[in-house]
Amino acid sequence: GQNIDQPTEMTATEGAIVQINCTYQTSGFNGLFWYQQHAGEAPTFLSYNVLDGLEEKGRFSSFLSRSKGYSYLLLKELQMKDSASYLCAVFASGGSYIPTFGRGTSLIVHP
Amino acid sequence: GAGVSQSPSNKVTEKGKDVELRCDPISGHTALYWYRQSLGQGLEFLIYFQGNSAPDKSGLPSDRFSAERTGGSVSTLTIQRTQQEDSAVYLCASSPGGAEDTQYFGPGTRLTVL
Repeated sequence: GQNIDQPTEMTATEGAIVQINCTYQTSGFNGLFWYQQHAGEAPTFLSYNVLDGLEEKGRFSSFLSRSKGYSYLLLKELQMKDSASYLCAVFASGGSYIPTFGRGTSLIVHP
Repeated sequence: GAGVSQSPSNKVTEKGKDVELRCDPISGHTALYWYRQSLGQGLEFLIYFQGNSAPDKSGLPSDRFSAERTGGSVSTLTIQRTQQEDSAVYLCASSPGGAEDTQYFGPGTRLTVL
């Protein structure tokens, strides 16, 4: 089966940097997504990694190591509006069109 | 352009009643997913439509759940004889079509079964 692990909750201070980790055990690998979900709202796309390395996009970066089954989302210069749930999702290989989502990490940014 | 829309936004129903949830995907998107999200839980896959292919129903939790997609566009998720454990937010997402395409989510329907 597929298994995605993320911390349940994290807290950080406005202006700081936070790293949200995601580890996965899947039958193959075909890409990893990060989504942001504010309370009561739909998830929105943040990043997609399919090759090893760091993908940078403004204040947000995402890293992938396929050999370790590991990814992280790095948020810099935290703002209060970054308080949200961050979802890690993995597409296994073998033609699977169905991503497996982690339970999400609730990030609380305080002043 | 318009995003994914869902209706109703909230639905309160009595145990044993049937409900229908609607999803309008982004125009031109061939892939459509239904998920369920319970409080504090991750997204639980329910069903996947891709073009005119037979849907992947492997995530439907029981035979009380069914879904259809008419004309490759609008989709309806039907839950028959609702139970209290069906209470959750039901999210619909569409993507342009590739297996690893970004999914665009609708705002969801919050279903409460009394």
